[in-house]
Amino acid sequence: QVQLVQSGAEVKKPGSSVKVSCKASADTFSTFTISWVRQAPGQGLEWMGRIIPIVGISNYAQKFQGRVTITADKFTNTVYMELSSLTTDDTAVYFCARGTSRPMDVWGQGTTVTVSS
Amino acid sequence: DIQMTQSPSSLSASVGDRVSITCQASQDISNYLNWYQQKPGKAPKLLISAASNLETGVPARFSGTGSGTDFTFTISSLQPEDFATYYCQQYDNLPPTFGLGTKVEIK
Repeated sequence: QVQLVQSGAEVKKPGSSVKVSCKASADTFSTFTISWVRQAPGQGLEWMGRIIPIVGISNYAQKFQGRVTITADKFTNTVYMELSSLTTDDTAVYFCARGTSRPMDVWGQGTTVTVSS
Repeated sequence: DIQMTQSPSSLSASVGDRVSITCQASQDISNYLNWYQQKPGKAPKLLISAASNLETGVPARFSGTGSGTDFTFTISSLQPEDFATYYCQQYDNLPPTFGLGTKVEIK
């Protein structure tokens, strides 16, 4: 069964960085892109960026350019999303999902990131 | 970026009602339009892809139509488990963009 399993909740201080992981099955890692989508409390869904894991090429939403880095480890089939210079506005649930220029048909369970002083 | 205008933002309906949600794209996206269902505390679930393609295992009371810029999502007979928030999303151009969502509540 295809699954994306994310790392656990994080609490961070303003100005710091957070790195969230998303472990995929081998076939997902080698065949699909992985997107990151976030959802602030009570708000809608916002695409942050994606990676083609097999070649390590990433693209980012303009809003997050320079602040987000998406990487992939082909030895562990794990994708990482690192967001820097955190503010309280970055408090959200962060999801990884399979697909970008195709339907996002498999989602991770979500990782809650809380930014608070 | 392509803007997705979804309406209504919320609606109240009873079990058995027919419910429709519309989504309008700011430019032609052909049929590159998905619909998702999200329940509180859960990840979104893909219901319909390519505007009208029902995903495997999704009940037939859900349907989608449209192409170009105007799309409609319909639940033919609302069931208790359908109370949730629904989102449209285009995947014609990067970045993929979502509508703001429609919360379907119990009347």
